[in-house]
This record gives sequence, structure tokens and C-alpha cells, in this order.
Amino acid sequence: DSGVTQTPKHLITATGQRVTLRCSPRSGDLSVYWYQQSLDQGLQFLIQYYNGEERAKGNILERFSAQQFPDLHSELNLSSLELGDSALYFCASSVRDRATYEQYFGPGTRLTVT
Amino acid sequence: AQSVSQHNHHVILSEAASLELGCNYSYGGTVNLFWYVQYPGQHLQLLLKYFSGDPLVKGIKGFEAEFIKSKFSFNLRKPSVQWSDTAEYFCAVNQRGGADGLTFGKGTHLIIQP
Repeated sequence: DSGVTQTPKHLITATGQRVTLRCSPRSGDLSVYWYQQSLDQGLQFLIQYYNGEERAKGNILERFSAQQFPDLHSELNLSSLELGDSALYFCASSVRDRATYEQYFGPGTRLTVT
Repeated sequence: AQSVSQHNHHVILSEAASLELGCNYSYGGTVNLFWYVQYPGQHLQLLLKYFSGDPLVKGIKGFEAEFIKSKFSFNLRKPSVQWSDTAEYFCAVNQRGGADGLTFGKGTHLIIQP
């Protein structure tokens, strides 16, 4: 157990819908990262937040957005869902926002878009 | 753009065999290098990391990796594998000194036969 929690574990929804994935970082970690893992693209970095502020952006679609709340939990919002958005979404946390700090990964949320 | 290549997508070995998984990266700056492992049904966890100093780094569970700057490589090795090493292995890189997510390779699925 890494100490990072993600809910829900599984999510099945239809095309065009909107979903919210939630992540709680390890106690004391200020930085949260979101990743998408799909069969064709592999593991891709989406976005990073540090202490409530966006710090880095990766290959995140405009239909996707995220935020980090004052209690440091983070939410990833996916809208206008397409079949290709079906994937495993991981959250990771680290103590600080610098690259040398180890990222601890959560168990992931499996999203299926039908 | 930075990228990571893992040459072996599937590797099957017998117990006690030696292991070497290849990883090459492409990046224009100074990088941090990581190997992560994902056991069946579990979250990603860090095996080892290289930031600077001795290019031969040792990680958990008897794994080690060697950074060869001239070859842009960071190969993972283990002298004698066990059945419990069956897992997916990911090489990853990020920019040293930056606030950045990890760029992952596609992963290597390792199966150890008893």
C-alpha cells in the first residue's frame, strides 16, 4: 500500500458523459500527478499540481481538467467522453514539486467508456 | 520531445536465469532515471533511481541498473530471477531540476517460469 488512495476503482459510462476521478495523496505530500495508461499509448503524464497550483502539463486533452483542493486531494474531470478515453488513470504524489522527489502511485481508476 | 524506449516487450525466463532489460532515452537536457515495477494487481512501485554520482545504482529486491551516458541507456539487471519477479517493468525519465511528470517507456512484461 503506497498510501495514495483513488476512487472509484472502476467506472463504466457512456460516450458523451462526464466523470470525476478522485485522488488523496499520502499524508504530508503536497504534489499530485495524474497519468493515463492505455494499451496503445502506454503510460502518459497528464498534469501536476503542487499545493493547489498547476505546476506542469503533459499530454492532457482540452476535454480534461484537474484541480487540487485546500485539503490537497485532487480531482480529474473528464468530459465529452469518447471510446478512446477508456484507460487506467493513475494518481501519484510526492513530497515536493521537484523532479528528484519519489512519486508514489495509487491503485488507479479503470474507466470504461461504452 | 523526450522519449523512452524499452526494447523487449515480453521476456520469458526460467528461475535462476540472469535478467537484463534494455532502456534508452532521448532527451536534450540532464535527466533523472527510474525503473518502476507493477506486480499483478498492484500499484506501480519504485525499484531504483539515478540522479547523479555512481552510475551503477542498486535497488530493492536485488535489482540494479547502470547509467551509460554515452549510450543514453539505463539497463536493468538482476543476476538470478525468482518466480516472484513476474511483473511489468517500466523505465522512466524526467528533467532534473524541473517540476515535471515522468515520461515512461511502453513497459516490459516479464514472466518467470518455475
